[in-house]
Amino acid sequence: AQKVTQAQTEISVVEKEDVTLDCVYETRDTTYYLFWYKQPPSGELVFLIRRNSFDEQNEISGRYSWNFQKSTSSFNFTITASQVVDSAVYFCALSEAPGGSYIPTFGRGTSLIVHP
Amino acid sequence: AAGVIQSPRHLIKEKRETATLKCYPIPRHDTVYWYQQGPGQDPQFLISFYEKMQSDKGSIPDRFSAQQFSDYHSELNMSSLELGDSALYFCASSAGRGTTGELFFGEGSRLTVL
Repeated sequence: AQKVTQAQTEISVVEKEDVTLDCVYETRDTTYYLFWYKQPPSGELVFLIRRNSFDEQNEISGRYSWNFQKSTSSFNFTITASQVVDSAVYFCALSEAPGGSYIPTFGRGTSLIVHP
Repeated sequence: AAGVIQSPRHLIKEKRETATLKCYPIPRHDTVYWYQQGPGQDPQFLISFYEKMQSDKGSIPDRFSAQQFSDYHSELNMSSLELGDSALYFCASSAGRGTTGELFFGEGSRLTVL
């Protein structure tokens, strides 16, 4: 079973639109970490945010914001006023430690296309 | 700040050949992870090492092997290459088996098998 579900395979928006990327996770651990990574066409994985399970505060960084809700096991990512440079595949990941080490498991990714 | 270094960045091999990828973790990081990302896929965990010992094992094929050396760099050896091995291979490093949740990825090595 997929531990991280990104139901949106591809999202297409026009520049300046707001867009939310959904992420739902599944874990039995009480201590875990959630991440978002951006993968532009060049291929590298760019770290965006890390959130631990004890910190449900939402976070805003410029045009990016994240909404972590343990009650719904979701960690959604919103880009405000999207730009063409935001076009990329975005991965949500869950890191838990059943055996004592934290191994991130990635969702299948959401491809965001921002049209000019 | 020093990041995770992977080499080579690009590699082209023929079927049934052997390939070796190298990963140099961030200084003072003792844990290394290898991931494989096929075209249009999410990164899949292969294997990790902590203090030069295998720590966790994911979906690494038997044709692949890896190790972590005394200087903490790691090498992923792939033999009898198949077309399906064409992928982007990421290495990541962390301190203390990622207990802080901080994992740092390299830029990846792109392997193409012809």
